Amino acid sequence: DVKVTQSSRYLVKRTGEKVFLECVQDMDHENMFWYRQDPGLGLRLIYFSYDVKMKEKGDIPEGYSVSREKKERFSLILESASTNQTSMYLCASSLYWTSGTSLGTDTQYFGPGTRLTVL
Amino acid sequence: GQQVMQIPQYQHVQEGEDFTTYCNSSTTLSNIQWYKQRPGGHPVFLIQLVKSGEVKKQKRLTFQFGEAKKNSSLHITATQTTDVGTYFCAGPSSGTYKYIFGTGTRLKVLA
Repeated sequence: DVKVTQSSRYLVKRTGEKVFLECVQDMDHENMFWYRQDPGLGLRLIYFSYDVKMKEKGDIPEGYSVSREKKERFSLILESASTNQTSMYLCASSLYWTSGTSLGTDTQYFGPGTRLTVL
Repeated sequence: GQQVMQIPQYQHVQEGEDFTTYCNSSTTLSNIQWYKQRPGGHPVFLIQLVKSGEVKKQKRLTFQFGEAKKNSSLHITATQTTDVGTYFCAGPSSGTYKYIFGTGTRLKVLA
């Protein structure tokens, strides 16, 4: 079974603090993703990575950065946390990209999520 | 930009009633995925549809991919309290490694 773990389930930080969210997957997946989930807005992609040290911006990258130094680990960094970054953060991984086939290689496996509150 | 819309946003049904959620893309999709998120949980993959007009069944769940590959539906027959949760569709964004998720349909089943 694929396992995606996130460093914290709940986190409370103060405005202006630097925040690190860690995600680890144990299935040698190439792709990793960070989403935030807000009521009524669904899942919005912040950043994704398709290889070690490779990253691409998602739909809402402003105020965030990421790091992928090892294949199994993808970190999300809030450089200076703000109250509008209070949200549920979900990490996901997928084996590799083969869109248009039924191989299931781009199935995303999600971690349990980190509920971040910025005061 | 490419958009994936889902309707309805919320649905309350009596246990035993049927339920359908619809997913519409602004562009043609090479495939579509469906995920379920239980309350307090994380999204879990249900199924992927690839072919135009494809229909797949998982027990009481029926998934359909439109002929034009721009829409999809999930139908649940005779809902049970275990069906409670939010159902998301997701389609690949052209030329990138990412999937765009719909806004989700939150299902509540009243016993």
